[in-house]
Parts: sequence; structure tokens; C-alpha cells
Amino acid sequence: RKEVEQDPGPFNVPEGATVAFNCTYSNSASQSFFWYRQDCRKEPKLLMSVYSSGNEDGRFTAQLNRASQYISLLIRDSKLSDSATYLCVVNEAKSGGSNYKLTFGKGTLLTVNP
Amino acid sequence: DVKVTQSSRYLVKRTGEKVFLECVQDMDHENMFWYRQDPGLGLRLIYFSYDVKMKEKGDIPEGYSVSREKKERFSLILESASTNQTSMYLCASSLKGFGYTFGSGTRLTVV
Repeated sequence: RKEVEQDPGPFNVPEGATVAFNCTYSNSASQSFFWYRQDCRKEPKLLMSVYSSGNEDGRFTAQLNRASQYISLLIRDSKLSDSATYLCVVNEAKSGGSNYKLTFGKGTLLTVNP
Repeated sequence: DVKVTQSSRYLVKRTGEKVFLECVQDMDHENMFWYRQDPGLGLRLIYFSYDVKMKEKGDIPEGYSVSREKKERFSLILESASTNQTSMYLCASSLKGFGYTFGSGTRLTVV
């Protein structure tokens, strides 16, 4: 099983649609979870952290299910500017030490059409 | 905001050359990372460092080395560049427990 697996996509949706991305991770000891956004030919940028209780930032909602090792991102009322690749990111937990490494999914490309 | 600066945006090098990619961060982060990103393969970790003079191999360290002599600077070295090292190289830094901040990337072409 791959460490972080995402919907392969691509997703093509009309403006105003609701779109959901799903992600599973294999390391049950992982403690930190994120969604990153990457625009074409740019670097990834942190979109939001994901907490056990679920969290919302405007039109974006992230959910974490530790029992199922599953993370989701919901985008409501999608805009043209939401077109990007969305990366699911999970930390690689190690006992002790101070090193801290993230594992990235391969990403899902979203295109929002007018 | 944290700034992570990569020395070059675009670079063209010849096969066999020794190549240095420099990365500097300005927020006293402990952790620094080098990734390469290729279509269909996603981000792959080359090396990372969690302290000065400390380094650990990532998933694809072959053909690369790194140097971290100062906390703010993490260098990636291609000992003898090859065409299969043509890629986008991304540097990132972080504090323990937080997400990464990436530099804008260096697109390296080896001819």
C-alpha cells in the first residue's frame, strides 16, 4: 500500500460546483495532516492543516478520520481560481528525535470551468 | 512570512558537471528538505536535515549529496550531472510539527 494515496483525477467541474477530494494514508502513527495547493509551474503552498475535529476555512472544509486513516477536502461554490493540483500530505511519525518529514500524495488536478 | 529562497529559477548544465543548488531560509527553521518533482511521480524526497551538519537520506539520494554548514542554508549537490536528473528541484523548510514552506523551485535541465 502506498504511503499516501489520492484520487487520481483529473476533476473537471463547472463554476459553483462542490467537489470533494479523498486521501488515505498507511502510517497509523502519523500525527499531522495537511492539504497543499500547487498551481501550474509553481511551488506547493499550504492550503490548510487538518484536525481530528474537522476544520473549515471559508469554502474549504477538511476532515480527518483516524480510525479509517482517511482525509478529505471539500470545496464548495468552486471558483475558476480554485483550478490547481491539490496535494494530500501526512507526516512520517518517528518516535523520539526531532526530525520531521512529510509524505506527499501525487496530487489531484482540479479544473474549474466557466 | 517565512521566506525560502532558491538561488536559481532556471539552470542548464552539461552532463558530468558538478552542480550546486542553494537554498536559504530566513526564519530559523530546524528542518530543511530537498525534493524533486517529475510529472506522474509527484514529489520525491532526496535528502533532509534537521540540524546544522545533520543530514538524512530520503527516498532517492543516489547521485546527490547535501551540505548544511549553517542553519539557514541547505545545499544540494549533483556530483556528476546526468540527463535523468533533469527535473524541478524544490527546497522546503519547517519547524517541528508544522507544515513546510517551499521555495519557488529550480528547473534544472541537463544536456
